[in-house]
Amino acid sequence: DGGITQSPKYLFRKEGQNVTLSCEQNLNHDAMYWYRQDPGQGLRLIYYSQIVNDFQKGDIAEGYSVSREKKESFPLTVTSAQKNPTAFYLCASSINNEQFFGPGTRLTVL
Amino acid sequence: DAKTTQPPSMDCAEGRAANLPCNHSTISGNEYVYWYRQIHSQGPQYIIHGLKNNETNEMASLIITEDRKSSTLILPHATLRDTAVYYCIVSGFYNQGGKLIFGQGTELSVKP
Repeated sequence: DGGITQSPKYLFRKEGQNVTLSCEQNLNHDAMYWYRQDPGQGLRLIYYSQIVNDFQKGDIAEGYSVSREKKESFPLTVTSAQKNPTAFYLCASSINNEQFFGPGTRLTVL
Repeated sequence: DAKTTQPPSMDCAEGRAANLPCNHSTISGNEYVYWYRQIHSQGPQYIIHGLKNNETNEMASLIITEDRKSSTLILPHATLRDTAVYYCIVSGFYNQGGKLIFGQGTELSVKP
């Protein structure tokens, strides 16, 4: 089965803790993206990577970090510097003008 | 990226065509029009995209006006499973790193 997997589906953390969200794809896509979605809002771009070992900040990168050591993997770390981390996080990869999205991780910071 | 304007919500009767409008008056010559949809609590799903010609696939049709300042997504026979938020996005895609900017979209409710 080809696709994008994100784990876990639900994640709870205490305030002040860093947390890493997983995103894996077996579609052989070069480009990958992380978005954040708040209730009733559209998606906002956090970081994106067009190729291994390279990534760029999106519109709301503050308080987040990423790495792209392998083509298949693009993990996102939500640091304690992110003031409002509770949100729905979506990972995507792209080829030929189309982005494919994972099922998302719902992060709640208590 | 050019900005898009969509109505916040629309209703459609099951089995009828759903016509979702989008205004993008500041679109530039190399920017495509993309449509995605998001069913509640899932990741968005690609529907269709076009540059200036009308496009059709198994999911929908995309009609782009001649001046490219607006477009309409048509779901020819809406079903209850088409209830979702529909996003119209304008992007140069590869020229802009493949970035897509999602607005608030149109919440389509298909009713029996």
